[in-house]
Amino acid sequence: DAGVTQSPTHLIKTRGQHVTLRCSPISGHKSVSWYQQVLGQGPQFIFQYYEKEERGRGNFPDRFSARQFPNYSSELNVNALLLGDSALYLCASSSGLAGNNEQFFGPGTRLTVL
Amino acid sequence: GENVEQHPSTLSVQEGDSAVIKCTYSDSASNYFPWYKQELGKGPQLIIDIRSNVGEKKDQRIAVTLNKTAKHFSLHITETQPEDSAVYFCATTVGQLTFGKGTKLSVIP
Repeated sequence: DAGVTQSPTHLIKTRGQHVTLRCSPISGHKSVSWYQQVLGQGPQFIFQYYEKEERGRGNFPDRFSARQFPNYSSELNVNALLLGDSALYLCASSSGLAGNNEQFFGPGTRLTVL
Repeated sequence: GENVEQHPSTLSVQEGDSAVIKCTYSDSASNYFPWYKQELGKGPQLIIDIRSNVGEKKDQRIAVTLNKTAKHFSLHITETQPEDSAVYFCATTVGQLTFGKGTKLSVIP
């Protein structure tokens, strides 16, 4: 069975640009969460979507947005990129909304902002 | 919000020895405590988890203990092997996962 998939694997952007990252959850999973992992730190929660609705948001600026599609795949958008946005962006899927559901992570998208 | 402290930040052990990683958390409402292993260039992989109604859980060489009164939980790896070398993260959840800063485990052959 396929796990969580993310695209692209790597991405290089310049300051001020916009980026879109994509995620496909495990088949049957309806919840997708996005995390930012800066080098040397643990992942930090950005968004959770369940049944196409935003169900949670972390402490990130409005430049970050996301959406979930009818097939439960998801996109993370970041506008007006800053150098500090350079990080590994992780997508995780789970079967339900409850916080104690197991979350399974994809390999991530490595974003470099120059 | 929730705060998770993880120690140590780095840990080196000889192959065959045991490794212990400890985490404390602040929010008494936390009810789910997963542990993740992250290898270089990969996403975190769930290796074991425990829920607040259980004090200890074991899966082969890996065990996790939970003390809700003291708000701490620990990961124990016995008979370590070189392939256990990775960064390990603890996490808690009140709505969404909050991670510790990670422990880089090195198993020396």
